[in-house]
Amino acid sequence: DTGVSQDPRHKITKRGQNVTFRCDPISEHNRLYWYRQTLGQGPEFLTYFQNEAQLEKSRLLSDRFSAERPKGSFSTLEIQRTEQGDSAMYLCASSLRGGIEETQYFGPGTRLLVL
Amino acid sequence: LAKTTQPISMDSYEGQEVNITCSHNNIATNDYITWYQQFPSQGPRFIIQGYKTKVTNEVASLFIPADRKSSTLSLPRVSLSDTAVYYCLVGDTGRRALTFGSGTRLQVQP
Repeated sequence: DTGVSQDPRHKITKRGQNVTFRCDPISEHNRLYWYRQTLGQGPEFLTYFQNEAQLEKSRLLSDRFSAERPKGSFSTLEIQRTEQGDSAMYLCASSLRGGIEETQYFGPGTRLLVL
Repeated sequence: LAKTTQPISMDSYEGQEVNITCSHNNIATNDYITWYQQFPSQGPRFIIQGYKTKVTNEVASLFIPADRKSSTLSLPRVSLSDTAVYYCLVGDTGRRALTFGSGTRLQVQP
């Protein structure tokens, strides 16, 4: 499968714990995005990387959230001191800069439940 | 960012053609129109994108009138597996962040 992959697919944690999610983009894609989606709503943009550089962050990305893409390939999203309001689906997408229409392709998501 | 308005939900039957219309009155000159499909517990899947007139691929057609203030996603002969949420997005492809609305929930009945 050459699509975007995310790990884990599901995560249950207790409030106050730290969690880390991983995203592996489509191999030749140099842009990588993180989104968050709550029930009944469309995805909301969190942040985006071009290669290893984090170029844009949403106001939704509080100080407890940090994202990295150290070698311009896979990316991690860490949430520290999780809160119940962090429960959501975390989606990763990738695209090819300069590719046709720069279409973003999404992974299956990581569903987080904070108890 | 151009705001989009689309119906909250639609119902159809297998084999029918479904047309979902999206309004985007303040679309900008550089904006493209993109549609995504999302099944429960999955990430959105790109369906189609266009700038003007008509675009067709193996999955759907996208009709855009001359004023570009609306667009219509057409799904031919839907099946039960087309039951999903469909999102209409408008924006410059150079803009990094996609802005999703609440989408249209399409329910296909047998």
